[in-house]
Amino acid sequence: DTAVSQTPKYLVTQMGNDKSIKCEQNLGHDTMYWYKQDSKKFLKIMFSYNNKELIINETVPNRFSPKSPDKAHLNLHINSLELGDSAVYFCASSPTGAYIQYFGAGTRLSVL
Amino acid sequence: GQQLNQSPQSMFIQEGEDVSMNCTSSSIFNTWLWYKQDPGEGPVLLIALYKAGELTSNGRLTAQFGITRKDSFLNISASIPSDVGIYFCAGQLNNAGNMLTFGGGTRLMVKP
Repeated sequence: DTAVSQTPKYLVTQMGNDKSIKCEQNLGHDTMYWYKQDSKKFLKIMFSYNNKELIINETVPNRFSPKSPDKAHLNLHINSLELGDSAVYFCASSPTGAYIQYFGAGTRLSVL
Repeated sequence: GQQLNQSPQSMFIQEGEDVSMNCTSSSIFNTWLWYKQDPGEGPVLLIALYKAGELTSNGRLTAQFGITRKDSFLNISASIPSDVGIYFCAGQLNNAGNMLTFGGGTRLMVKP
């Protein structure tokens, strides 16, 4: 069973659309994250979230919003998609108090 | 934001050669992690380091947490074709909670 799974793996959409990426982890972890990896492969944290606290990287536009229906899921919703949003988005999770993060396989978003 | 300087950016080596890469920062980190990313996949943890001066091995991989807590290196001995990928260092800052800061990655190519 995949520990951290993301859907869809590929997402192609038009500028201005709203889209969501789903993430689920079956590791029983308390904290989940979203990262953006640009074309130069640089990984940048977007959000850190557990059931008590949302930490937002201040450089993330407010068009991006994490939504967590329960502890095992953290979805990423993006409004009014822009060309610069094209990237690979990774979900990750970690246990409380531990710094090791486990990553999903990524969602490749292309905005046309 | 905080940055980790990872070098080299890329390496092209012959199978069987040893490889060394490192990360440095002007900030002090509490934890250093080394990840490997295969094409089309998410980063996978290789080695975790928790104490200054710690030297840890995982098969042909060896990593060290610098004494100053501002740097770390990863060595790969006797490289093989499946070592190909992007290697990332990641650090956890004292006041950053569970958030990790990633280096820019080292792209390793191995010629059989």
